[in-house]
Amino acid sequence: QQPVQSPQAVILREGEDAVINCSSSKALYSVHWYRQKHGEAPVFLMILLKGGEQKGHDKISASFNEKKQQSSLYLTASQLSYSGTYFCGTEMGGSARQLTFGSGTQLTVLP
Amino acid sequence: GAGVSQTPSNKVTEKGKYVELRCDPISGHTALYWYRQSLGQGPEFLIYFQGTGAADDSGLPNDRFFAVRPEGSVSTLKIQRTERGDSAVYLCASSLLDRGNTDTQYFGPGTRLTVL
Repeated sequence: QQPVQSPQAVILREGEDAVINCSSSKALYSVHWYRQKHGEAPVFLMILLKGGEQKGHDKISASFNEKKQQSSLYLTASQLSYSGTYFCGTEMGGSARQLTFGSGTQLTVLP
Repeated sequence: GAGVSQTPSNKVTEKGKYVELRCDPISGHTALYWYRQSLGQGPEFLIYFQGTGAADDSGLPNDRFFAVRPEGSVSTLKIQRTERGDSAVYLCASSLLDRGNTDTQYFGPGTRLTVL
């Protein structure tokens, strides 16, 4: 079942912060976050495994709440290069390696 | 190093025709995935290979779709009797699959298929 992402779209000014949420109705093994710019391949950002971990890379970080089956992606002090569509992909674990993606969150950072 | 490559980048065909889409994974990656992405949507899983064999083809929409990976590297997605509803971007991804748990899938730029 497809995870639900919110919000569907967000517009920011450079330097502002944003949070993107990804919720699943099923128990998850891991959550994978990607950013995709128009006409390009999705680019990997980070993986979070069950266990409620939190990760960060530069000014982009994420958390995974196993009890709620929800992951959040945090973008702080956004830059123009952060613009794009963000997708979460969920993995059930076991032999099921494929990712089930949400519909995406379109992020626009304005100067 | 080189990333995942896909050819052709664009394919326009007529309804009812047969098409082949090619994916070259990152060298050494054991797992290869095919996804399909429609406008405004996230990628949708089609099939997953571990080595030469299809480990999971549960996402293939019907028997017009078939994929092979005969030598465990390059893969070809084949679509017979194409329909207008097959129009989408077909994405390929590969991963190392060396940790036994989960690992990163790296995506190619995709093939945009248009069925007229």
